[in-house]
Amino acid sequence: AAGVIQSPRHLIKEKRETATLKCYPIPRHDTVYWYQQGPGQDPQFLISFYEKMQSDKGSIPDRFSAQQFSDYHSELNMSSLELGDSALYFCASSLDGSAYNEQFFGPGTRLTVL
Amino acid sequence: AQSVAQPEDQVNVAEGNPLTVKCTYSVSGNPYLFWYVQYPNRGLQFLLKYITGDNLVKGSYGFEAEFNKSQTSFHLKKPSALVSDSALYFCAVRDLNYGGATNKLIFGTGTLLAVQP
Repeated sequence: AAGVIQSPRHLIKEKRETATLKCYPIPRHDTVYWYQQGPGQDPQFLISFYEKMQSDKGSIPDRFSAQQFSDYHSELNMSSLELGDSALYFCASSLDGSAYNEQFFGPGTRLTVL
Repeated sequence: AQSVAQPEDQVNVAEGNPLTVKCTYSVSGNPYLFWYVQYPNRGLQFLLKYITGDNLVKGSYGFEAEFNKSQTSFHLKKPSALVSDSALYFCAVRDLNYGGATNKLIFGTGTLLAVQP
């Protein structure tokens, strides 16, 4: 079965640089969530989209922005990177954003900021 | 606010023995509860969920979880542990603070399960 695809899988950046993370949801899934998992931490919600509109916003810094495109893929744009942004970034998708439906997670993008 | 707690950072069990990973929840309204497993350098894999209905929920890889409303618990169980079950387990609750319009997951701090051969 098709899964959530994230690219790149690994990314190394310098401080103050920018990064773009991409997420391709499971086919027919119209809801995308972004989570950040720091070392030894639980995943923290950043932002979500339903039908290409932002549906919720969590602890996402103002330096970050995201959008969902017409084909339902999503991109997380990160600017002015800081050392503390080093983390595993997960994208998850679900069908119609219903609370009943489980979220399926991608393999994550490991971002290292030097 | 919705929250879940996993009181144990690590659980050790011998292969073949039953295992339990504990989770308690605090919610306003009906709880929508989930268990996920994370293997090293991998994404989170969905194991099972409780939405409504039977208190005993069966999931993937032989795992099950028991929803207990009076104890506000949703413990993950397996009758016979395998070495390959060794991983990080997260309990999560759906956040329905905004009248159901927001469906993000709120995770517990995770429990590392170590199954010894």
